[in-house]
Amino acid sequence: DAGITQSPRYKITETGRQVTLMCHQTWSHSYMFWYRQDLGHGLRLIYYSAAADITDKGEVPDGYVVSRSKTENFPLTLESATRSQTSVYFCASSLNRGDGYTFGSGTRLTVV
Amino acid sequence: AQTVTQSQPEMSVQEAETVTLSCTYDTSESDYYLFWYKQPPSRQMILVIRQEAYKQQNATENRFSVNFQKAAKSFSLKISDSQLGDAAMYFCAYRILTGTASKLTFGTGTRLQVTL
Repeated sequence: DAGITQSPRYKITETGRQVTLMCHQTWSHSYMFWYRQDLGHGLRLIYYSAAADITDKGEVPDGYVVSRSKTENFPLTLESATRSQTSVYFCASSLNRGDGYTFGSGTRLTVV
Repeated sequence: AQTVTQSQPEMSVQEAETVTLSCTYDTSESDYYLFWYKQPPSRQMILVIRQEAYKQQNATENRFSVNFQKAAKSFSLKISDSQLGDAAMYFCAYRILTGTASKLTFGTGTRLQVTL
């Protein structure tokens, strides 16, 4: 039962570089989400997807791009990383609307 | 805007005692679910308990129970017989069911310390 896998677990990148965070789930869950976690802000939604090829913006989408060509994958790309994007990023999935999420283990991203 | 408020940034409880974490939320929707998540130092997000808004009965999971007051939009978490392993950040969240925007909205969290 592999569940939901995020990679890498830690990443350091330079300002201006493009970086992609990967998320893969093995359950064929319809819904997938990307959140960022920052001290004092809790978890804030970046993007979400209700199904393959359907994505929508969340609360803090600026500077991020997502795609979902396959149900099981939902990569998050920072097109030109900035220091303000230093954060812990969580991917999550759920089967139905009333379900809680199952979270990945998170990626700690540092932009220097 | 739909929001979740956790007014206690930090709390402390002695081992074996009971502690209650507060949460209030604001939504105009009538159909939604409420959740409490635990995040230990490992960073993993763990679902603690789930409550359907249409149910009056409060949810219970072993030592964890909630006090759900729909009219007051309050959803507190009670931890009984606290253990050292309960030390973590706790997040309250809700999820509406209408429309395509069905996603969890989180509070800012309460850090729980458990002392001997």
